[in-house]
Amino acid sequence: AQSVTQPDIHITVSEGASLELRCNYSYGATPYLFWYVQSPGQGLQLLLKYFSGDTLVQGIKGFEAEFKRSQSSFNLRKPSVHWSDAAEYFCAVGAVSWGKLQFGAGTQVVVTP
Amino acid sequence: DSGVTQTPKHLITATGQRVTLRCSPRSGDLSVYWYQQSLDQGLQFLIQYYNGEERAKGNILERFSAQQFPDLHSELNLSSLELGDSALYFCASSVSSGNTDTQYFGPGTRLTVL
Repeated sequence: AQSVTQPDIHITVSEGASLELRCNYSYGATPYLFWYVQSPGQGLQLLLKYFSGDTLVQGIKGFEAEFKRSQSSFNLRKPSVHWSDAAEYFCAVGAVSWGKLQFGAGTQVVVTP
Repeated sequence: DSGVTQTPKHLITATGQRVTLRCSPRSGDLSVYWYQQSLDQGLQFLIQYYNGEERAKGNILERFSAQQFPDLHSELNLSSLELGDSALYFCASSVSSGNTDTQYFGPGTRLTVL
């Protein structure tokens, strides 16, 4: 069965420090991978997506993610976080045969001064 | 602003009642998706419509139904509401039915069942 795992439910990071959010997926073929961010009281905003090609993907707000097929991972990174990055981050996987996105449980990011 | 609109923003109702949530997709998008976000279940796909036809079904209860109209807006109908139906309901839209399409999410409708 297909699945998406975000191992970290909650991460606290200092402003200016680097951030890495983990995402692992289980899927038989090459998945289509997404990272979304949900700010408090808001909908989900797409940060970046990977379909094929270069395994290092650049997104909005200074985020990037790297697809590693051998590790079934698609981790999200940001070199220096800002207070406005405090939000919940969701990894999602989609595939040709699916009419949906399957989301991970989300990682809540808290940014401290 | 994603371009996807949802009304109402908040809905408070009682158990056993029926409500309708409305979604207008981005201009030009033909697919509409409905998702439910709850504390215990996380974000779950409910149903997808493409150009008026049901395309895919997820974990949607029989008490729930949806449709997409000729003008491409969609409605999600929830009936015989239970306390456990309290959740944030998101609508998303994409250009076509291809699952590689980026889905753009609306701000959600928060449903509270008392």
